[in-house]
This record gives sequence, C-alpha cells and structure tokens, in this order.
Amino acid sequence: GAVVSQHPSWVICKSGTSVKIECRSLDFQATTMFWYRQFPKQSLMLMATSNEGSKATYEQGVEKDKFLINHASLTLSTLTVTSAHPEDSSFYICSGKGVTYNEQFFGPGTRLTVL
Amino acid sequence: QKEVEQNSGPLSVPEGAIASLNCTYSDRGSQSFFWYRQYSGKSPELIMFIYSNGDKEDGRFTAQLNKASQYVSLLIRDSQPSDSATYLCAVRVETYKYIFGTGTRLKVLA
Repeated sequence: GAVVSQHPSWVICKSGTSVKIECRSLDFQATTMFWYRQFPKQSLMLMATSNEGSKATYEQGVEKDKFLINHASLTLSTLTVTSAHPEDSSFYICSGKGVTYNEQFFGPGTRLTVL
Repeated sequence: QKEVEQNSGPLSVPEGAIASLNCTYSDRGSQSFFWYRQYSGKSPELIMFIYSNGDKEDGRFTAQLNKASQYVSLLIRDSQPSDSATYLCAVRVETYKYIFGTGTRLKVLA
C-alpha cells in the first residue's frame, strides 16, 4: 500500500498558540487528502476534505477559521490549529487518496496536547 | 443521512477461533467497501477492500459483501492475540466521500 507520513507525531503547546501539522504522501500523488480528529475511545471524526489546488470542504460544525487546511501540492497538506485551546487536544490523523486508488491511506497521526 | 453501523463490542474470541465482524450500510448506491484495523493509540491501517458481491480472501482475512442485504463482513481465521484491535468498516458513497463506522473492538483471548 501507499505511505503517508505526518509531522510532528506529537506536540504540546500553550493555550492561544497556533500549531501546524504536515501530512505528506511519500510514494504517490494524493489528489485528495482528508483530515480526521479522534478523541480517546471515540470514533474517527472527519473534519475536512481537500483536493489539491482547491479550498477544503469542511464538515458541519468544524470551524474553517480555526482549522486552516492547505493542500498546495500533490504530496503535501497542512492543518493549522489556530489559537489552540485545551478542548482542541486530540489525535489528528490525515489520509491521502490518489487517482489510481479507491482507498484512503492513513498517516500515523499527531497527538496534540494544549495546556 | 448515509450511515454505516457496527456493533461496538467488545467481541471476545479464543485464540485460534474465527472472529466474525459485521457492518451494515444505508446507501444502496455504495460501490466500495473497506476494512481498517486500528490499534489503541495508533491510526487506522487498511486490511482489505471489496467491490463485488461474494467473498474475497487475503491470508487469514476474508471479506464478504452482500449488496442486496447491504451487509459487509470480515472474517479472521486462526485469530491471534495480536489481532486484538478495533476494526473499522468504511463505505465509499461518493467520489470523495467515505463514511466510517464507529468500529468493533475485538479481543482475542490467549
């Protein structure tokens, strides 16, 4: 299967700061990338879907001004959590899908802790 | 609203037994179905996918699809303690839209 990386794998920040998470497809071109959030012992929650070169489509209830998504190239998407607060602490996971694939391939996730 | 439903479990099976995980979906037009495994604290990893009615085998895993009944299942033969994880069923309902179930937690008892 295809490989997706995420950086950083974990981050601790102070309340009010912004955090950027990178998601890269290493051996395929991810025309579509998805961003998920998962709280402990809960299911995956899709935050947004982005196609390369287009604005992201956010799910209902996800603040687009707080969670900035950029998908500027076929191998890189970034999620910036702006003015993070403790309630934003969660496991953030990206996934990528290429043109020739029907399935999504997940990155290893980023654990965000906001103090 | 399009939905994918799974029993949350836990499903407990003894080592060496067959584990059977089930998933139903609401969108009759869905064409692609996926099973992911997620270990605690880790991200999901793809186990297998199925597009056509019937069975698809890959090693110890068999996916079964019945579109008439809107039902997908995953069988794990010779279950091992290392198979203990949460199994997520996902359905592709549109080109860029996938619906995930909430997952079934499997415990394989040594």
